[in-house]
Amino acid sequence: DAGVIQSPRHEVTEMGQEVTLRCKPISGHNSLFWYRQTMMRGLELLIYFNNNVPIDDSGMPEDRFSAKMPNASFSTLKIQPSEPRDSAVYFCASRQQRGFNQPQHFGDGTRLSIL
Amino acid sequence: GQNIDQPTEMTATEGAIVQINCTYQTSGFNGLFWYQQHAGEAPTFLSYNVLDGLEEKGRFSSFLSRSKGYSYLLLKELQMKDSASYLCAVNRGGADGLTFGKGTHLIIQP
Repeated sequence: DAGVIQSPRHEVTEMGQEVTLRCKPISGHNSLFWYRQTMMRGLELLIYFNNNVPIDDSGMPEDRFSAKMPNASFSTLKIQPSEPRDSAVYFCASRQQRGFNQPQHFGDGTRLSIL
Repeated sequence: GQNIDQPTEMTATEGAIVQINCTYQTSGFNGLFWYQQHAGEAPTFLSYNVLDGLEEKGRFSSFLSRSKGYSYLLLKELQMKDSASYLCAVNRGGADGLTFGKGTHLIIQP
């Protein structure tokens, strides 16, 4: 079975540029999550969707960050304009929304470096 | 606020047993997850507890005490491949997202 697929795996760009991260959840999973991981702050939830609808975006750091889920098999996280402090590993995860015991399955992450 | 505490780093010997503790104070609770994360890789699911007591799964066991806001992950017969970070995460209910601790970096020595 294909897991959660994220692209790109690595991104290096200059400050001020727009960055778009992509995620394809596991087929049949109807909840999708975006996390950010840094050494200082650990793994933090940014936003999540149920059935393609954003439910909680309270973790999105500021207006420069936006996320969309146009259909059940695709989501994007966009940073515009990017800043050096956005450098982190960004993970996408998905799960079946049919009980709290269903684990989230993580993609391999996008390692983002803003110069 | 939400608070999940784990030791930053632990060291153990191959073949031995290690217990990784996690304490939490959250506004809601609908279960606690343990994840394993090898360096440069994605977190992978290990266990889930929602009721008090011990859940055993092979070499790994996880314990929960809801009244104490406490959990531990027990790893037996340690192998070198168990060197990784172990993340404790709480589902606070109402929202499906997880609140993670900062993880415990476990080093296994020969």
